[in-house]
Amino acid sequence: ETGVTQSPTHLIKTRGQQVTLRCSSQSGHNTVSWYQQALGQGPQFIFQYYREEENGRGNFPPRFSGLQFPNYSSELNVNALELDDSALYLCASKDGGFSSGNTIYFGEGSWLTVV
Amino acid sequence: AQKVTQAQTEISVVEKEDVTLDCVYETRDTTYYLFWYKQPPSGELVFLIRRNSFDEQNEISGRYSWNFQKSTSSFNFTITASQVVDSAVYFCVLYNQGGKLIFGQGTELSVKP
Repeated sequence: ETGVTQSPTHLIKTRGQQVTLRCSSQSGHNTVSWYQQALGQGPQFIFQYYREEENGRGNFPPRFSGLQFPNYSSELNVNALELDDSALYLCASKDGGFSSGNTIYFGEGSWLTVV
Repeated sequence: AQKVTQAQTEISVVEKEDVTLDCVYETRDTTYYLFWYKQPPSGELVFLIRRNSFDEQNEISGRYSWNFQKSTSSFNFTITASQVVDSAVYFCVLYNQGGKLIFGQGTELSVKP
């Protein structure tokens, strides 16, 4: 039990649709990041939020966007879904910025299938 | 370049065997952190260990042990007396000053009874 919860756990969308994935981070954690994990691959960094500001982004197009709320929960939005967006989406949270080196905890993920 | 290489894609052992998972990393940062995570079929990444770049002390936790060597940029993980419940994908991860986790490709460990 990591204290990081994600919803929904599974969903199926049609190509071209939009999806919103949600993450509730562990209490007190002010940094949240999102990762995409395709089948058989390691997770790839999408972006990170620290105190409601995006402060890092991976090689993902602008149709991947996010938000962090004052309670540090977070959303990942993906517009114009493509078949290749089918993956496990993982949310991770930690307390403090990089220099704190604190442990990063992951949720169970949201399995997205685009058909 | 920041990179993590786990050369072993799949490993299969029989219960009670010892097994070592290899990890080699690349970074130009002087301060960084290394992690190992376990991912069972359910998908959740389970934290196993964190090590910072200034701490080369090896660590043992029950049946798990880790060998960190900066000279060879390696952070290997050994499971002693493996059990069926150890079956999972294991990821070696580099956390850099850019604030992102860089994952290796993972090693799928299968422990057979």
